[in-house]
Amino acid sequence: KQEVTQIPAALSVPEGENLVLNCSFTDSAIYNLQWFRQDPGKGLTSLLLIQSSQREQTSGRLNASLDKSSGRSTLYIAASQPGDSATYLCAVGAGNMLTFGGGTRLMVKP
Amino acid sequence: GAVVSQHPSWVICKSGTSVKIECRSLDFQATTMFWYRQFPKQSLMLMATSNEGSKATYEQGVEKDKFLINHASLTLSTLTVTSAHPEDSSFYICSASPRVRKNTEAFFGQGTRLTVV
Repeated sequence: KQEVTQIPAALSVPEGENLVLNCSFTDSAIYNLQWFRQDPGKGLTSLLLIQSSQREQTSGRLNASLDKSSGRSTLYIAASQPGDSATYLCAVGAGNMLTFGGGTRLMVKP
Repeated sequence: GAVVSQHPSWVICKSGTSVKIECRSLDFQATTMFWYRQFPKQSLMLMATSNEGSKATYEQGVEKDKFLINHASLTLSTLTVTSAHPEDSSFYICSASPRVRKNTEAFFGQGTRLTVV
């Protein structure tokens, strides 16, 4: 059974810092990996989708990498802003079904 | 991107009543939709897989008689929480992907916050 772990569980940084969120998964037989953002009490916003054949995806200040063989993904956020404060979830996909990690709660302080 | 609409966004109901949550794919067809549940400060957990025209597949520990799923068309799945109890209070969210390939992006509804009093 797939297990997804995210480290750290919580992170507080000053505005402007570059930061890395980590995601690891136990079964490398995945179709894709997605990073989501969840604001308190709200639904999910998809940030980046990496197909299993890809190594990384970039969108604005966000860069996500995937190393399928080692079961790891990282989300890099450059020049963090207070508006980036949210919970970030990674999820690995197999046949459209997703298995989620526990999330990293990010607080960016002005 | 594709749009998934979930309704209602929040609902408060009395213990013992039933609540229906709708999940619609607005601009694509989805033979499969997924229902997740999220308790406070926990991650999303898959409850069931909703298959158009057939019975839903439930994850271990999820009562199929309590959480009724109907996927009557390629664009609509419903989750009915029957005889709701306070411990059913949670955030329920659905997802769907366009039917064509297995490795496509999953799109999520806005979620429904259920509070049972």
